[in-house]
Amino acid sequence: EVQLVESGGGLVQPGRSLRLSCTVSGFTFGDYAINWVRQAPGKGLEWVGFIRSKAYGETTDYATSVKGRFTISRDDSKSIAYLQMNSLKTEDTAVYYCTRQTTYYYDSGTSYYFDYWGQGTLVTVSS
Amino acid sequence: DIQMTQSPSSLPASIGDTVTITCRASQTIRRYLNWYQQKPGKAPKLLIYAASSLQSGVPSRFSGSGSGTEFTLTITSLQPEDFATYYCQQSYSSPHTFGQGTDLEIK
Repeated sequence: EVQLVESGGGLVQPGRSLRLSCTVSGFTFGDYAINWVRQAPGKGLEWVGFIRSKAYGETTDYATSVKGRFTISRDDSKSIAYLQMNSLKTEDTAVYYCTRQTTYYYDSGTSYYFDYWGQGTLVTVSS
Repeated sequence: DIQMTQSPSSLPASIGDTVTITCRASQTIRRYLNWYQQKPGKAPKLLIYAASSLQSGVPSRFSGSGSGTEFTLTITSLQPEDFATYYCQQSYSSPHTFGQGTDLEIK
């Protein structure tokens, strides 16, 4: 059974740091890109960023709103992805989900979807 | 960044109805469009990818169509478990933007 489990959320003061973990089981972690998606209370989904697999250089990309403050990394030996969040702002308050990205081939191109999600972990940034 | 706009934001409907949700992209995304369903307190669930491909295990009353900049999600014969929030997402280019969501509510 595929499982993604986020941990590390909690209450943190503005300007401080927090690291979230996404522990995976049920599939070969190293074969997949992992994304982070967040949802502020009562709001919609916002893509945060992702990390490609080792086969694609473990390259990363981020939403403009978090670029320069958040860093995604992975440890394939432990099947864990991390979201390091620095210089946190009150507007970063949200439930953070990690997701598995599955790539498919279509119409002479490639694209992807998020087929498995964790249950989410709440990050509250407040003084 | 590609902007995704869903309409309506809220959609009252009854059991057995057929409903359609529209998603428009600010530029062409070919057919690189995914649909997700989210229930309160739960993670989103993938329904459709590549605009019209049904994810394994998703009931056939869900269908998607469209290409370029305009897409639709149609749910026929609404069931009680279908009342939820629906999001589109473009997978054409980064950042991988979502629509703002459509709340499908019981009338």
